[in-house]
Amino acid sequence: KAGVTQTPRYLIKTRGQQVTLSCSPISGHRSVSWYQQTPGQGLQFLFEYFSETQRNKGNFPGRFSGRQFSNSRSEMNVSTLELGDSALYLCASSLSAGGFQETQYFGPGTRLLVL
Amino acid sequence: ILNVEQSPQSLHVQEGDSTNFTCSFPSSNFYALHWYRWETAKSPEALFVMTLNGDEKKKGRISATLNTKEGYSYLYIKGSQPEDSATYLCAFSANTGNQFYFGTGTSLTVIP
Repeated sequence: KAGVTQTPRYLIKTRGQQVTLSCSPISGHRSVSWYQQTPGQGLQFLFEYFSETQRNKGNFPGRFSGRQFSNSRSEMNVSTLELGDSALYLCASSLSAGGFQETQYFGPGTRLLVL
Repeated sequence: ILNVEQSPQSLHVQEGDSTNFTCSFPSSNFYALHWYRWETAKSPEALFVMTLNGDEKKKGRISATLNTKEGYSYLYIKGSQPEDSATYLCAFSANTGNQFYFGTGTSLTVIP
């Protein structure tokens, strides 16, 4: 079974631009979570989607948003990029409605650099 | 924001040594505790999901225990091998707040 895939793998943007990242979960998985990893803050939870609905949300500003499609693929959007948004963005999928009691399978990540 | 702490921050051991790390988390409102292994240039790999006080999980040479009443989990590696070199992360979820909190990790280097 194919793993979690993320596109693009690398991205360079400038301040003020917006960016959209994509995540395709493992086939059959319905939950997708997004995380941001920075050297200073470590790995932080952004949000989780299940059945096209945002189920859980971390402490990030409204510039960070996401959505999930009927095929469970998910996109994350960051508007008005700031230098501090430079990070590795990871998504993870899990099977169903077990939420944070289920094993999460991570993708390879998208590394975003904001200049 | 809940605090999840891991210790030590880094560890160097000789091949064949056994080692263990600690993850500390809030002892109230426990929901789940995850352990991940994250090798450089790879994706985090799930090791264990622990949900009940007293849980003990084992996968090959790696095992973990959970004490939700005192808010800690131990990860043990028996007979460390160079391929065990990675950062080991724990992540905690409470049954309130609907979030997932990661510790900063323990970086393990196994010296051949």
